Amino acid sequence: ETGVTQTPRHLVMGMTNKKSLKCEQHLGHNAMYWYKQSAKKPLELMFVYSLEERVENNSVPSRFSPECPNSSHLFLHLHTLQPEDSALYLCASSQTTGPAAEAFFGQGTRLTVV
Amino acid sequence: GQNIDQPTEMTATEGAIVQINCTYQTSGFNGLFWYQQHAGEAPTFLSYNVLDGLEEKGRFSSFLSRSKGYSYLLLKELQMKDSASYLCAVRPSGNAGNMLTFGGGTRLMVKP
Repeated sequence: ETGVTQTPRHLVMGMTNKKSLKCEQHLGHNAMYWYKQSAKKPLELMFVYSLEERVENNSVPSRFSPECPNSSHLFLHLHTLQPEDSALYLCASSQTTGPAAEAFFGQGTRLTVV
Repeated sequence: GQNIDQPTEMTATEGAIVQINCTYQTSGFNGLFWYQQHAGEAPTFLSYNVLDGLEEKGRFSSFLSRSKGYSYLLLKELQMKDSASYLCAVRPSGNAGNMLTFGGGTRLMVKP
């Protein structure tokens, strides 16, 4: 248990569906992240929120929409996804100050788009 | 741009020592991280280097040479539970939010 909780753990959705992924951190961190992990590809940073403001979106398609209502919660809203969006979506949190300020990851949501 | 390279797969024997290398070219540098990820689980933090030299933490050590853009993770007295993917990640300098760029990961298989 890393202090970062993601729900659901598994999600199967059709290309016309709308769904949301949820992330909650209990570590008192001030930054939260969404990463995408596809088979045989490096972890890709999608979105960063620092002090509840988005600071990076890395050219992610608009069918992915993040929301950060407070420093403990992060959502990823999904709509009209494509089969190539099937992947493991990982949430992480960290402090933005301190020598290491390492990121702590959640267990991820395994998304399958059919 | 960012480019991080590490071997795709390695195999080692229980009780042995294994070294996993990582080379990087990034626009600015503010630290290098190693993470361990077991199949189906979250990546977990192993080590952090920002200055040249060796950082030792139990059976795991990590080395950094900033002038060479090179790091390695050294695992001693390998155990079966060390079979996992090892991810090298670099934090560029001057960014807000501690954004990391990851390599593709090295899948380590430990055999009896």
